[in-house]
Amino acid sequence: QLHLQEAGSGLVRPSQTLSLTCAVSGDSISSGGYSWTWIRQPPGEGLEWIGYIYHSGSPSYNPSLESRVTISIDGSKNQFSLKLNSVTAADTAVYYCARARDFGDHHIDFWGQGILVAVSS
Amino acid sequence: DIQMTQSPSSLSASVGDRVTITCRASQSIRTYLNWYQQKPGRAPDFLISAASSLQSGVPSRFSVSGSGTDFTLTISSLQPEDFATYYCQQSYSTPITFGQGTRLEIK
Repeated sequence: QLHLQEAGSGLVRPSQTLSLTCAVSGDSISSGGYSWTWIRQPPGEGLEWIGYIYHSGSPSYNPSLESRVTISIDGSKNQFSLKLNSVTAADTAVYYCARARDFGDHHIDFWGQGILVAVSS
Repeated sequence: DIQMTQSPSSLSASVGDRVTITCRASQSIRTYLNWYQQKPGRAPDFLISAASSLQSGVPSRFSVSGSGTDFTLTISSLQPEDFATYYCQQSYSTPITFGQGTRLEIK
């Protein structure tokens, strides 16, 4: 059974950089056939796709965040990461890492439990 | 970006009721439409896709129809564990986008 676990700071100062990692267990992140995805959900609101990366290292970002976001992958550690710079209060959200199928209906089949990140001074 | 519009935004129903949630895409997404269920404090769970891929373990009372721009999720007979928020998601093109959610509450 695949398991994803987010880790990182739960409090980030405005204008600083939000940094999260997602540790993957139960399968190799380098095995192919999937995209490794970040999604966020502001408190009480809906879901926003941030972006994804393939094991080959090719990322795709939401244009609304593209100027501030970097997603990277580390096969040796079986993890992938999110960096979001110049954060504001609008970036306060639960951040989920997830795996999406790169075949068939491309649905997201596994999610991490989520980590709440607050942007506040 | 492809806009996804769900209706209704909230819905009150009773155990045993049949309920339908609709999702409309701003352009054709063929059958690249997925439905997720989210309960408070938890990550969403995949339910079913418009390509009729039903997640293992998901009860057969959940069904989906539609293609192109208009889709529906139907729960044939509501059970207590079905009260949650439901999201549609298009996986046809990036940026991946979600509907705003439908909160299903107990009447």
